[in-house]
Amino acid sequence: GENVEQHPSTLSVQEGDSAVIKCTYSDSASNYFPWYKQELGKRPQLIIDIRSNVGEKKDQRIAVTLNKTAKHFSLHITETQPEDSAVYFCAGGQAGTALIFGKGTTLSVSS
Amino acid sequence: DAGVIQSPRHEVTEMGQEVTLRCKPISGHNSLFWYRQTMMRGLELLIYFNNNVPIDDSGMPEDRFSAKMPNASFSTLKIQPSEPRDSAVYFCASSVGQRNQPQHFGDGTRLSIL
Repeated sequence: GENVEQHPSTLSVQEGDSAVIKCTYSDSASNYFPWYKQELGKRPQLIIDIRSNVGEKKDQRIAVTLNKTAKHFSLHITETQPEDSAVYFCAGGQAGTALIFGKGTTLSVSS
Repeated sequence: DAGVIQSPRHEVTEMGQEVTLRCKPISGHNSLFWYRQTMMRGLELLIYFNNNVPIDDSGMPEDRFSAKMPNASFSTLKIQPSEPRDSAVYFCASSVGQRNQPQHFGDGTRLSIL
């Protein structure tokens, strides 16, 4: 089955800096990779996703890149703000199966 | 849209008691997922349904755990008997179709077994 590894487990940046979170997956058949943001005590919320027919996707300050050959994908947050502080989860899966989530990255943005 | 609705939001009970968690998926979503979240193990998939049929229950930890989806708008996750190590936040999520589509999470049930 699929296995998703996520790094780093914690990340601290200064406001305005960029943050990068990386994930690897094991199943080459996986074709869907969402990212979720979870604030303390709240539910995970989808912030961006990418499918395997696309190499990069952007939404304002957030971007995700996918390297199918190397089986890794990354989340990039530019111009970080204190409200970006949260736990971020990557996930991977394919049609007909459930998503497998990474262990999460705790991002702290200090002002 | 009301989103995925879970109840109760918090549950505190003594070990050995039966616990029932409830979930109402988003209308029109035909896939439903139950997750357990702990600090140690992260977000774990317990079971998921497609069109009310359990597709993969390999994540259900023990026979003490059971899940049902009697209709498209309701699912339950039951723990009987409960144990302190079952303490966690339990999330329900739903999505459209069996192809991977964004999963939308409920607010979760914070379960504490004393």
